[in-house]
Amino acid sequence: SYELTQPPSVSVSPGQTASITCSGDKLGDKYACWYQQKPGQSPVLVVYQDSKRPSGIPERFSGSNSGNKATLTISGTQAMDEADYFCQAWDSNSVVFGGGTKLTVL
Amino acid sequence: DVQLVESGGGLVQPGGSLRLSCAASGFTFSSYWMSWVRQAPGKGLEWVANIKQDGSEKYYVDSVKGRFTISRDNAKNSLYLQMNSLRAEDTAVYYCARGNYQQGYYYYYMDVWGKGTTVTVSS
Repeated sequence: SYELTQPPSVSVSPGQTASITCSGDKLGDKYACWYQQKPGQSPVLVVYQDSKRPSGIPERFSGSNSGNKATLTISGTQAMDEADYFCQAWDSNSVVFGGGTKLTVL
Repeated sequence: DVQLVESGGGLVQPGGSLRLSCAASGFTFSSYWMSWVRQAPGKGLEWVANIKQDGSEKYYVDSVKGRFTISRDNAKNSLYLQMNSLRAEDTAVYYCARGNYQQGYYYYYMDVWGKGTTVTVSS
């Protein structure tokens, strides 16, 4: 079965750029999306179809996908961006999630 | 407002059954794929099942095949998950989510999520 791999944790200073990666075999041939989940809350879609932002998601969230890796980039990271982030792709009629990355803003 | 509200969770013994419901409002329910996604305590997200707009296609994660059944009633704007032969490892918060999918394209993303309902399987 298809697998997506994320780093367990990423740290960033306020105002700096955070990059969270998601690796999978030929992931660039598929579309990736990203969800943000804060403690005790439901996931929120922040990027879909590699690089599109849903309405209401700040412009500081962006995405890319090429080769075997998708990347979620948060520019000018704010304290409110501290959360778990999950990548997701579609393969063989199945939804596949990455294991999640805890973003710490310190 | 677009909204999904799950219900039906609770405490059940191993081997027991439970039926989850998800009530949709604020959008044309019959136009969307729908999904169930779960999250075990302290763990990541795990996709459980998808169902096509008219219910003609259903897909499941291997660990629940033969035990769980996803269904929908478009007249009632409702999604369901019948869970049988429950195991301790099924303990999780179960989320209902609206899916976006187009045949022939390699994407499926979920843009609306409910708050979840908690299922605990324990004796």
